[in-house]
Amino acid sequence: DVKVTQSSRYLVKRTGEKVFLECVQDMDHENMFWYRQDPGLGLRLIYFSYDVKMKEKGDIPEGYSVSREKKERFSLILESASTNQTSMYLCASSSTGAGNTIYFGEGSWLTVV
Amino acid sequence: RKEVEQDPGPFNVPEGATVAFNCTYSNSASQSFFWYRQDCRKEPKLLMSVYSSGNEDGRFTAQLNRASQYISLLIRDSKLSDSATYLCVVKVGGNKLVFGAGTILRVKS
Repeated sequence: DVKVTQSSRYLVKRTGEKVFLECVQDMDHENMFWYRQDPGLGLRLIYFSYDVKMKEKGDIPEGYSVSREKKERFSLILESASTNQTSMYLCASSSTGAGNTIYFGEGSWLTVV
Repeated sequence: RKEVEQDPGPFNVPEGATVAFNCTYSNSASQSFFWYRQDCRKEPKLLMSVYSSGNEDGRFTAQLNRASQYISLLIRDSKLSDSATYLCVVKVGGNKLVFGAGTILRVKS
């Protein structure tokens, strides 16, 4: 089975703190993604990466950065957390190709107070 | 206009009912289409891909209408365990997926 692992499931952080969300996949997928999901808005793409050290902005990159130093690992960084970044964050991976399935991690619930 | 639009529901149906969801997409160049299922406080999981000719998987049937730019999901003989949020997903180019906000289904006994 494909496994996408998000190491932190539930976090509470203070405004202004730096936050790291880690994601690891074990299927040698080229593509990795970070989404956030909020009620009524669905999943919105923050950043994605299609190769090591490559990254592209998604629809809502402001306030976030990412790092992909190894193929299996894709990190999301909140440089200075704000309350409007309270959300569920989902990491995903897929192989390259038109119909290839995207697999999600279990999600990280972040609350910024 | 959102790239992918779904009726948020909720659809409240009795066990055994047939229920259908539609989803419209705005980008005519969209390449691939999927339905994902998401249980409460869980991650989305692939339910089925949607093929041009339509496809069926047990009680679930998916259809694509490129001319009208919508896809549909039909669930027959609904079970309590079908209660979830159903996400319409469209691949618009490269590896970018666009998700609808989801349709909530509640199946009641």
